[in-house]
Order: sequence, then structure tokens, then C-alpha cells
Amino acid sequence: QSALTQPASVSGSPGQSITISCTGTSSDVGSYNLVSWYQQHPGKAPKLMIYEVSKRPSGVSNRFSGSKSGNTASLTISGLQAEDEADYYCCSYAGSSTFEVVFGGGTKLTVL
Amino acid sequence: QVQLQESGPGLVKPSQTLSLTCTVSGGSISSGSYYWSWIRQPAGKGLEWIGRIYTSGSTNYNPSLKSRVTISVDTSKNQFSLKLSSVTAADTAVYYCARERVRLVHFDYWGQGTLVTVSS
Repeated sequence: QSALTQPASVSGSPGQSITISCTGTSSDVGSYNLVSWYQQHPGKAPKLMIYEVSKRPSGVSNRFSGSKSGNTASLTISGLQAEDEADYYCCSYAGSSTFEVVFGGGTKLTVL
Repeated sequence: QVQLQESGPGLVKPSQTLSLTCTVSGGSISSGSYYWSWIRQPAGKGLEWIGRIYTSGSTNYNPSLKSRVTISVDTSKNQFSLKLSSVTAADTAVYYCARERVRLVHFDYWGQGTLVTVSS
């Protein structure tokens, strides 16, 4: 199973909004509402930011939102803040034959 | 508050077996609501799911690693373990253990990660 496709980098200024895309196939993102997003600061473990496409865990800012259209999922961060600068990874269930999980290659967010 | 902590050798020789253990605290590994997973990340690269185990011992593995991976659970110690055989330099990575919600496929708690280097 191939990794999901994310842009290598995105950037934005404080206060702006950015969107990170995550493109899969009809076998993973397109077939299941089981996309999650993780934030990872350097040297730290990933942190769950969005699950089941658009749900936020308790404690995660409502500036983070998720959506999906067809084979592409998206993470939007509004009101960018300096602490949002990190790597972001999407993740999807990839089918009941192997119960596999696939991740995207990651996107580096730079807050200008 | 659930916490996960990886432990094991930081250096493994090529062709040998990498062995790591994840100790879970603040919650029971026998809870039927969760899988217990291993995920790795080579330096400067993305995340790769290795596999998962349920409290019953049922496992699922990444097809690309399946022939070399064994994940086991010890409910008496609230631990689960990873063995990866015939390692090469390509297996050098930070290895994370994580808790995964059953049927919902997301990882809500992660260990801090442990670096395993494959080198002679």
C-alpha cells in the first residue's frame, strides 16, 4: 500500500489560514471516513489533532478543522500562530483485507 | 492519564533481531476498546505503521514488513512487544508505541519514541 500524498511544505503568516491536502485512493481515503491528522514538533512524538475526518480530541484548538472530498482529505488551520509551526501527517485506514494503516509523507508548516 | 514508554537496545547489529517493549501505565492493556500499535520514523522521514495487537493476541501487520515482524502482548505486565528480524540499516529509526482506538483507526496516545540504530 502506497503512502498518502501530501505537499512537502506550506507556509503562512500569523493570523492567516492554511490548508494541507492529503491525497489517497478509492481504496483508502476515498472509501473510509477514518482519516486522522497528527502534529509533530521536532524531537517530539506525534500528537492527534483530528480523527474520523473532522472530529477534534478534547483539548485541541478549534482553529484546527478537517474535511474530505473524494480521495482527498484536508486539514485547515485558521488564525495561524507561531506554535503551529510543525510537521503534519495524515493517516487513513486502508482496507479490510489487511486492516492496514497508511500515513502521508508529511508536510512542514512554516509560520512566517 | 495513559502513558506509554518504549524500552530496549538502542543499537542492533545487521541481520540480528530488534526487540522493543512498550509499558503501558494509567490504563489496562486488557481494555477491549483499544489496539496497541508500533510505528516507526527514520530520521528526517515520515511515519510508517508496523503493526498492531489486540488484548486477545490477534495481530495485523504492514504487508511490507509482515515476514519479519512479530508483536506480542503480556497482559500480566501491561506490556506489549515488537520483534523485527533480519534487520538492515534501513530499519534504523525512532520506534514509537501507540494506543489505537478499535475500528476507528487513530492513535490517541503515543510513547516518547526510542531510537534504534542498526550498525555493526
